[in-house]
Amino acid sequence: QSALTQPASVSGSPGQSITISCTGSSSDIGGYNFVSWYQHHPGRAPKLIIYAVTNRPSGVPDRFSGSKSGTTASLTISGLQAEDEADYHCSSYTSTDTHVFGGGTKLTVL
Amino acid sequence: QLHLQESGPGLVKPSETLSLACSVSGGSITSSTSYWGWIRQPPGKGLEWIGTFYYTGSSYYNPSLKSRITMSVDRSKNQFSLELSSVTAADTAVYFCARRSGDYVRGWYFDLWGRGTLVTVSS
Repeated sequence: QSALTQPASVSGSPGQSITISCTGSSSDIGGYNFVSWYQHHPGRAPKLIIYAVTNRPSGVPDRFSGSKSGTTASLTISGLQAEDEADYHCSSYTSTDTHVFGGGTKLTVL
Repeated sequence: QLHLQESGPGLVKPSETLSLACSVSGGSITSSTSYWGWIRQPPGKGLEWIGTFYYTGSSYYNPSLKSRITMSVDRSKNQFSLELSSVTAADTAVYFCARRSGDYVRGWYFDLWGRGTLVTVSS
């Protein structure tokens, strides 16, 4: 199974919006609405912020939103805040009953 | 509140077996709605799914690691374990344990993670 493709880094200023893409294939993102996104501050436990493409767990601000088109999923963070600076990882369930992750994207808040 | 904590040696020699445990507190490992899993992150790289299993024994492993993986559960200790055999430097990574939740409608996702533990493979 091949890893999903994410940009290595993105950046934005406080208050701005950024979007992180996650590209897969018809065997994972394109075949299921089972995309999830994780926020990871190094040294801490990763945190689930989006599941089933668009759903936010309780407690996750609505500044975080997810979408999908074809084989590409996207995470948008609006109203950037300093504490949003972290690594973001996408993941998808696959046709072979496995999970695949992206390479991770480092978000820098300028 | 459920909490996961990884434990195990931080240094393993090449060709030996890496053994890690994940202690679950604040809830039961035999929960009917929870699967448990391991994910790792090599230095400077993205996350890699290792495997997921249910406490009764059904399991799903990363095909690239399947021949070297053993996952098990100790109900008396409320913990689960990972063994990865014949390790090489490529297995050096931060290893996370996690709970997988969801269903066929919402999909499956890892909603609770441990902080991770660094395992270095070196002689």
